[in-house]
Amino acid sequence: TQLLEQSPQFLSIQEGENLTVYCNSSSVFSSLQWYRQEPGEGPVLLVTVVTGGEVKKLKRLTFQFGDARKDSSLHITAAQPGDTGLYLCAGPTEDSNYQLIWGAGTKLIIKP
Amino acid sequence: DAGITQSPRHKVTETGTPVTLRCHQTENHRYMYWYRQDPGHGLRLIHYSYGVKDTDKGEVSDGYSVSRSKTEDFLLTLESATSSQTSVYFCAISLGTHADTQYFGPGTRLTVL
Repeated sequence: TQLLEQSPQFLSIQEGENLTVYCNSSSVFSSLQWYRQEPGEGPVLLVTVVTGGEVKKLKRLTFQFGDARKDSSLHITAAQPGDTGLYLCAGPTEDSNYQLIWGAGTKLIIKP
Repeated sequence: DAGITQSPRHKVTETGTPVTLRCHQTENHRYMYWYRQDPGHGLRLIHYSYGVKDTDKGEVSDGYSVSRSKTEDFLLTLESATSSQTSVYFCAISLGTHADTQYFGPGTRLTVL
């Protein structure tokens, strides 16, 4: 059974600090996606990583896909209150490309 | 924003009553999904559809049924609501290609008393 485990479950830090959150599995994924969800809204895609070792940057957010394609990380530099939200990772199931397995998420709060 | 709406946005109902949630898209995407989101569980797939009248079960389908009579509409029905079905329900759509993005509606908060 494919599982995605996210850590930490909850993180509260001050504005300006750096942080890293993780998405780990014992299974190999063909790709992983990161979504951000704000309160009262649905998740919105931030990035998709496809190649092992791939690094993608989105302003102050840096996403990395592990070399073995079993894990991914999200690093935020100089966090801002606007980064507050639930960060979810997701990957396609072994059986199909159109179904996703979801991690439980990291709830991030950035205090001004 | 992807053209996805959900109705109602909030609903309170009593145990044993039937409930239908509606998802409507204007994007003509082939795949549509119903998820529930509960604290500590992330998003769990209830049912999905890969075309008109083509649906299949997800990991938590017990107690739920779906129908898709038109490309743009995907209905989720709780035949006899239970308190364990209190949750936030999200509809999503996708093209269904590899590493495809799923676009989500705003969610429906359902409370079963």
